Amino acid sequence: DSGVTQTPKHLITATGQRVTLRCSPRSGDLSVYWYQQSLDQGLQFLIQYYNGEERAKGNILERFSAQQFPDLHSELNLSSLELGDSALYFCASSVRGRAGNTIYFGEGSWLTVV
Amino acid sequence: DAKTTQPPSMDCAEGRAANLPCNHSTISGNEYVYWYRQIHSQGPQYIIHGLKNNETNEMASLIITEDRKSSTLILPHATLRDTAVYYCIVILTGGGNKLTFGTGTQLKVEL
Repeated sequence: DSGVTQTPKHLITATGQRVTLRCSPRSGDLSVYWYQQSLDQGLQFLIQYYNGEERAKGNILERFSAQQFPDLHSELNLSSLELGDSALYFCASSVRGRAGNTIYFGEGSWLTVV
Repeated sequence: DAKTTQPPSMDCAEGRAANLPCNHSTISGNEYVYWYRQIHSQGPQYIIHGLKNNETNEMASLIITEDRKSSTLILPHATLRDTAVYYCIVILTGGGNKLTFGTGTQLKVEL
């Protein structure tokens, strides 16, 4: 158990709909990352937040947005969903230790768009 | 961040050591080598990381060459549960740097 909690674990929704994925980072971790993993693609970095502010942006579509709240949990909002958005969405959080910055991943949210 | 090169797949007999290589010839002095693995559709799992010295923990050992241009992850006694995709990632030190995953090595542990 990494300590990163994601909900829901599975979600099925229709095209055109909007969903929200939630992530609770490890206790004390200030950074939250979101990744997408489709069947035919590897792990793609979407976006990172640090202590409530956007820190880095990857290949995140304009239909997707994220935020990190004062209690450090984060939400990834996916709107106008398309079939191609079906994927595993991972959240990760990081602890800044003595040597580098170790990132721990949650178990993911399976999104199926039908 | 420096690029890494890993073999696409490897096989290992259960109980034997699995040695997974990684080339990172363009690594810079303040970049760490991290290893993660992903067991089918589960969240990537942190294994170990190092800067220049060899490292060992309860999961694995990491051997980094003196010139730091390559490294080897060693699973001393591989089990069937170690079957996974293993990712070698080089990342700049400092807070909050994202991980960029390549294609990794698919390790298959067999009886």
